[in-house]
Amino acid sequence: AQSVTQLDSQVPVFEEAPVELRCNYSSSVSVYLFWYVQYPNQGLQLLLKYLSGSTLVKGINGFEAEFNKSQTSFHLRKPSVHISDTAEYFCAVSLLGGYQKVTFGTGTKLQVIP
Amino acid sequence: KAGVTQTPRYLIKTRGQQVTLSCSPISGHRSVSWYQQTPGQGLQFLFEYFSETQRNKGNFPGRFSGRQFSNSRSEMNVSTLELGDSALYLCASSLTFNEKLFFGSGTQLSVL
Repeated sequence: AQSVTQLDSQVPVFEEAPVELRCNYSSSVSVYLFWYVQYPNQGLQLLLKYLSGSTLVKGINGFEAEFNKSQTSFHLRKPSVHISDTAEYFCAVSLLGGYQKVTFGTGTKLQVIP
Repeated sequence: KAGVTQTPRYLIKTRGQQVTLSCSPISGHRSVSWYQQTPGQGLQFLFEYFSETQRNKGNFPGRFSGRQFSNSRSEMNVSTLELGDSALYLCASSLTFNEKLFFGSGTQLSVL
């Protein structure tokens, strides 16, 4: 079975500063990896996903993530955050092949400070 | 194209009652998943349906059940409600498995 760990429950950062949200996963087989964002009082929406190929994945709103197989990590980064990036971010993993459920981490709340 | 629609948006129930939540996926999407979201627990997977068949099930008691209809609309039912069932219940649809999930805004259930 797969699992996802987001060690940081909250990350405060000043506006225009860079940010990294950490995600580590556990799986004995190959996986798909995702980052979703949830704005207040809304459902989740996909930021980016890694299925195969280049380990550096670019998503919407200037976010990117890097897949590191040896460290089983998929950290999310943005070089300069904006107030509007304040939200909760979820890392998720799904096993390859067949009907596989998507397992989510516990989320990281990003608070951008003006 | 309309997004994922969940009804009702808010529900207040008392312990011991039962509740049914509804989810209409994006047109053409055949996979529907349900998640329970609580503070500090993140999203806990409940179950997934594809073409009216339950394909995956999470670690929830049998009080939690669901079904999917031929038009891909899905319902989940929780019987004998407990205080701990208070949560935001999210539905997500996708074209098929292992695809991008599209989430609804959720149903906020409060059990008193």
